[in-house]
Amino acid sequence: QAGLTQPPSLSKGLRQTATLTCTGNSDNVGNHGAAWLQQHQGHPPKLLSYRNNNRPSGISERLSASRSGNTASLTITGLQPEDEADYYCSAWDFSLSAWVFGGGTKLTVL
Amino acid sequence: QVQLQESGPGLVKPSETLSLTCTVSGDSITNYYWSWIRQPAGKGLEWIGRIFTSGSTDYSPSLKSRVTMSVDTSKNQLSLKLHSVTAADTAVYYCARGPGPGTPLDYWGQGTLVTVSS
Repeated sequence: QAGLTQPPSLSKGLRQTATLTCTGNSDNVGNHGAAWLQQHQGHPPKLLSYRNNNRPSGISERLSASRSGNTASLTITGLQPEDEADYYCSAWDFSLSAWVFGGGTKLTVL
Repeated sequence: QVQLQESGPGLVKPSETLSLTCTVSGDSITNYYWSWIRQPAGKGLEWIGRIFTSGSTDYSPSLKSRVTMSVDTSKNQLSLKLHSVTAADTAVYYCARGPGPGTPLDYWGQGTLVTVSS
């Protein structure tokens, strides 16, 4: 069961901007922010950003992450067909002493 | 480049123990946390737990009673045992590096499908 809350789906047009949200609480997202993962069908998840807006090398600058209170966001600008995927947020929950995931948002690029 | 590879039986009978191994290459596993995550077909990710190379563990509260993790630094491997499995444990199982203090799950294996069926 998901510990963080994400909208199940989002549809945007090519070259538009998509903002994905992730809501937790003060024990997880509100404490140290969230990490975002991208997963294409049949592939393992891939880390996109962590601690709000740290991006691993090779991750596009079209992606940026932020946090406001207990809600984390991932913004993808200039949407491309390859951005169509499932996106998961995740964070350490200090109350549970466990890593928690959101249920994932399926992003469709029209 | 750190690479992880899961291995183990693809079919486990109900009530038996699921056993998987993750072999890490490209770096030593020492001084890192390592996690197991699973994903049922068409569903989201579920964190099973993590182990530090000292042997210290944190498990998901929902799976804690059935999970055992271990690490073999001499082989650069980590292992997962999930006891008393049911069909609900059918999933793709991933190993990943992390999470540690300030660091997320950054490197992932390709995953291995485990089916629980008689």
